[in-house]
Amino acid sequence: GAVVSQHPSRVICKSGTSVKIECRSLDFQATTMFWYRQFPKQSLMLMATSNEGSKATYEQGVEKDKFLINHASLTLSTLTVTSAHPEDSSFYICSAGRQAGVEQFFGPGTRLTVL
Amino acid sequence: DQQVKQNSPSLSVQEGRISILNCDYTNSMFDYFLWYKKYPAEGPTFLISISSIKDKNEDGRFTVFLNKSAKHLSLHIVPSQPGDSAVYFCAASPVGSSASKIIFGSGTRLSIRP
Repeated sequence: GAVVSQHPSRVICKSGTSVKIECRSLDFQATTMFWYRQFPKQSLMLMATSNEGSKATYEQGVEKDKFLINHASLTLSTLTVTSAHPEDSSFYICSAGRQAGVEQFFGPGTRLTVL
Repeated sequence: DQQVKQNSPSLSVQEGRISILNCDYTNSMFDYFLWYKKYPAEGPTFLISISSIKDKNEDGRFTVFLNKSAKHLSLHIVPSQPGDSAVYFCAASPVGSSASKIIFGSGTRLSIRP
């Protein structure tokens, strides 16, 4: 149990376009979902926390108008990178938590490359 | 300001021996600690956790030790196997009863040599 999927796994886009990444909890209801990004050889940096049906809470330094997060259901959260630029190229990972337990279950990640 | 620190970026251990990965934290409000394993281009996989009310938790080849007074925890893997080669992240959470923000360390790359 506790499987999280992400789609797409890899995306290449042109500068200025928007990209949507989906995160789904496949076999459990995720009351909370988290979005991280990871730069090469660095740790996971938490971008935002989203709770189903409410606005996401963004970490300091993360532009909420650039990284739009929607958590419309207990099994789906989306991250939209708006007007992407090359510096947004990164590995984006989502995770989901169940109501009981602290563990977060991670998706496989999405590699975004902005040309 | 790193609240969770993994001071060793890499570690090389011979197959069959014990691997010991260390982690220090600064926030005394953390009361739940986790270890995650990550392969390249994949999401982290939960490995083992420990609550602050315990000082040891064991699961097969993996044992996590917690020293609250020293704000230090370690992950022991014994015996080490080639498939254990990965990046290991130590993480901590200030809330022990529900899904909450997790603070990750910078990771330690473990290499198991034959």
